[in-house]
Amino acid sequence: GDSVTQMEGPVTLSEEAFLTINCTYTATGYPSLFWYVQYPGEGLQLLLKATKADDKGSNKGFEATYRKETTSFHLEKGSVQVSDSAVYFCALREYSGAGSYQLTFGKGTKLSVIP
Amino acid sequence: NAGVTQTPKFQVLKTGQSMTLQCAQDMNHEYMSWYRQDPGMGLRLIHYSVGAGITDQGEVPNGYNVSRSTTEDFPLRLLSAAPSQTSVYFCASSYAQRGGIGEQFFGPGTRLTVL
Repeated sequence: GDSVTQMEGPVTLSEEAFLTINCTYTATGYPSLFWYVQYPGEGLQLLLKATKADDKGSNKGFEATYRKETTSFHLEKGSVQVSDSAVYFCALREYSGAGSYQLTFGKGTKLSVIP
Repeated sequence: NAGVTQTPKFQVLKTGQSMTLQCAQDMNHEYMSWYRQDPGMGLRLIHYSVGAGITDQGEVPNGYNVSRSTTEDFPLRLLSAAPSQTSVYFCASSYAQRGGIGEQFFGPGTRLTVL
């Protein structure tokens, strides 16, 4: 079945450092890929998405590129802020043609940014 | 728009007690789902519904029941609570679209402790 593997955390960075959170996936079809963010005490929010190979999703300074050849969707940000401290989840939704109603999530990576 | 609302925010139960976690959305979304979030496990799908009167099991359905009598509401019932059900529960909703679901919107979560 489908699966998503994220780098394990926690990740601690200083403010203005470069961030990469690795995400790789396995899927039998043509998935759409997502990054969700969960701030402390809140539910998940969609951060960015990409629906086909070579698409780049971007939002709030975060970027991720859909790499079909390496089955990856790594999250990057050039300069993190304290307010980026959160848990980040990579997820996929596979296009089955018959209708797929489930997202498959990675285990999450906790990011802490210190001043 | 209130989005996805969940009640209660916190709950403590004794083993064997039953309770219902409430979830409501005001976006006229067809698809609704329940996840549980446990440390190091990411989000796991419990049950989902693609419309009023239609429900199906997710990855971890045992010990939980759901019903979908209206588009807006999707309650999750714990029949006989067990300590293994201590978790944070998230409800989510989205439009259903050709080939799958759209962006999922998450509620703020219910933190459940079973003693």
